[in-house]
Amino acid sequence: GQQVQQSPASLVLQEGENAELQCNFSSTATRLQWFYQHPGGRLVSLFYNPSGTKHTGRLTSTTVTNERRSSLHISSSQTTDSGTYFCAIGDNAGAKLTFGGGTRLTVRP
Amino acid sequence: DPKIIQKPKYLVAVTGSEKILICEQYLGHNAMYWYRQSAKKPLEFMFSYSYQKLMDNQTASSRFQPQSSKKNHLDLQITALKPDDSATYFCASSQFNQDTQYFGPGTRLLVL
Repeated sequence: GQQVQQSPASLVLQEGENAELQCNFSSTATRLQWFYQHPGGRLVSLFYNPSGTKHTGRLTSTTVTNERRSSLHISSSQTTDSGTYFCAIGDNAGAKLTFGGGTRLTVRP
Repeated sequence: DPKIIQKPKYLVAVTGSEKILICEQYLGHNAMYWYRQSAKKPLEFMFSYSYQKLMDNQTASSRFQPQSSKKNHLDLQITALKPDDSATYFCASSQFNQDTQYFGPGTRLLVL
């Protein structure tokens, strides 16, 4: 089955620093989604980005499909960015998403 | 207003009992899903439904039974509960096989 590897597993930043989160997957994915999980547990979709680059605010997602990798860049981090970031992929065989293990981000003031 | 409602938010159950987790979505989507997140495993897919029909089942145990009484409802019945069933159960929805899946707030289940 599909496998999704995220790195680093955890990351600690000082407020204002940038972060680069990586996602590598084992097979071609026609769907790729980045999520943010609040410390309280709620999951929020950040990007649907199976290929190319997308921006929203301080976040940038870049997916290189044929290299089976995606990245999430957070610029000028804030304490409110603290939480866990998940990458998830899906294919045409079904609608399910396969999640990576996540990157736990802590931004200190 | 929340577009995907999950009830209850927290649930404590005793081993061997049966519980039903409720999910309703008001996004007009035709596909709904259940995922589980436990301390031991990452978020994992359980079921997908489209137009109230089961599309995919990745749950090995028949103790987990999804129930779809309406297009925008997908409940999860869990029987003979075990402590290992303790997890947060997330409901999600999307237009079938397209783009973004949206997740509900989750039901946190603790089995004692």
